[in-house]
Amino acid sequence: GNSVTQMEGPVTLSEEAFLTINCTYTATGYPSLFWYVQYPGEGLQLLLKATKADDKGSNKGFEATYRKETTSFHLEKGSVQVSDSAVYFCALSDFGNEKLTFGTGTRLTIIP
Amino acid sequence: DSGVTQTPKHLITATGQRVTLRCSPRSGDLSVYWYQQSLDQGLQFLIQYYNGEERAKGNILERFSAQQFPDLHSELNLSSLELGDSALYFCASSVAPEHTYEQYFGPGTRLTVT
Repeated sequence: GNSVTQMEGPVTLSEEAFLTINCTYTATGYPSLFWYVQYPGEGLQLLLKATKADDKGSNKGFEATYRKETTSFHLEKGSVQVSDSAVYFCALSDFGNEKLTFGTGTRLTIIP
Repeated sequence: DSGVTQTPKHLITATGQRVTLRCSPRSGDLSVYWYQQSLDQGLQFLIQYYNGEERAKGNILERFSAQQFPDLHSELNLSSLELGDSALYFCASSVAPEHTYEQYFGPGTRLTVT
């Protein structure tokens, strides 16, 4: 079956540091890949997505590239802010199986 | 604001009881998904509806059921509640059941079973 493996947290960084959160996946088909973010006490918000190999999703300074050869979709940001503190979820959705399969989430804390 | 609404926001009830969670999808979205978020199980898919019909089932207990109505809102019914059913329940919607379409999530209903 499909699965998503995410970097274990929590991750604590200083403001303006570079961020990478690793995500790898296993899928039987050609999935779409997503990053969702959950701020404290809130629901999940779509951060970015990529639907085919070599696509790059980007939003709010975050980027992730769909790498089929390494089955990865790592999230990066060049300079994090305190407001980026949240839990980040990597997820996939597959052809004919549209439910989202989520990773375990990575809690990110940015300190000023 | 994703455009997906869920009510109630919080629910506290006792073991053995039955509750109904309600979800209204974004305007124009035909597909509705229910997910459960708990500390031990993470985010788990429960069930999906498309245009009123059940389309896929995930890790949904037999004590749980759902439906999607003609106006496309959906309800998740949880019965014979147990302590372990305490969790955040999210509804999400998408335009159509295509894996390339993003799902938009509601704010969730936090269920506490005492």
